[in-house]
Amino acid sequence: KQEVTQIPAALSVPEGENLVLNCSFTDSAIYNLQWFRQDPGKGLTSLLLIQSSQREQTSGRLNASLDKSSGRSTLYIAASQPGDSATYLCAVDSGGGADGLTFGKGTHLIIQP
Amino acid sequence: NAGVMQNPRHLVRRRGQEARLRCSPMKGHSHVYWYRQLPEEGLKFMVYLQKENIIDESGMPKERFSAEFPKEGPSILRIQQVVRGDSAAYFCASSSTRVTDTQYFGPGTRLTVL
Repeated sequence: KQEVTQIPAALSVPEGENLVLNCSFTDSAIYNLQWFRQDPGKGLTSLLLIQSSQREQTSGRLNASLDKSSGRSTLYIAASQPGDSATYLCAVDSGGGADGLTFGKGTHLIIQP
Repeated sequence: NAGVMQNPRHLVRRRGQEARLRCSPMKGHSHVYWYRQLPEEGLKFMVYLQKENIIDESGMPKERFSAEFPKEGPSILRIQQVVRGDSAAYFCASSSTRVTDTQYFGPGTRLTVL
């Protein structure tokens, strides 16, 4: 059974810093991995999707890497801004008989102005 | 192109009543997924449907919960005889293909059981 763990559970940093969020998963047989952002009381916004054959994806100040063999992904946020404050969720698609995404519990990020 | 739509956004029910949650996928998407987010918990997969078919309901509680995605109209998640433990945010997602496509999420329905 796939399990996804995110570290740290919460993070507070001053504006302008670069930061890294970590995600690990127990079963390396995945189709893809997604990073989402969730604002309080809101739905999920997809940030980046990395296919199992890819090593990384970039969008603006965000860069996500994937090391499938070691079961790890990182989300790098450059030059953080207060508007980046949110909960960041990592989810893996294991496919096969389990057709839903398996989510971690998220990292609650606060960027101090 | 409208995103995934869910209604109602907030739903309050008393114990024993029925809750019906609706999800309209993005235009052109035929795959729908339902997830539940309990307080202080991560999102958990419940059920995956294509038009008129339930593909995987391995995450769905065996009793009181059912889902459908008819040929016409939105997908419905139905909870019968709700209990306080059903209070949660229920999210719907849709995708155009199964394997490699991004799942796009709706804003969720927040169910409160009194």
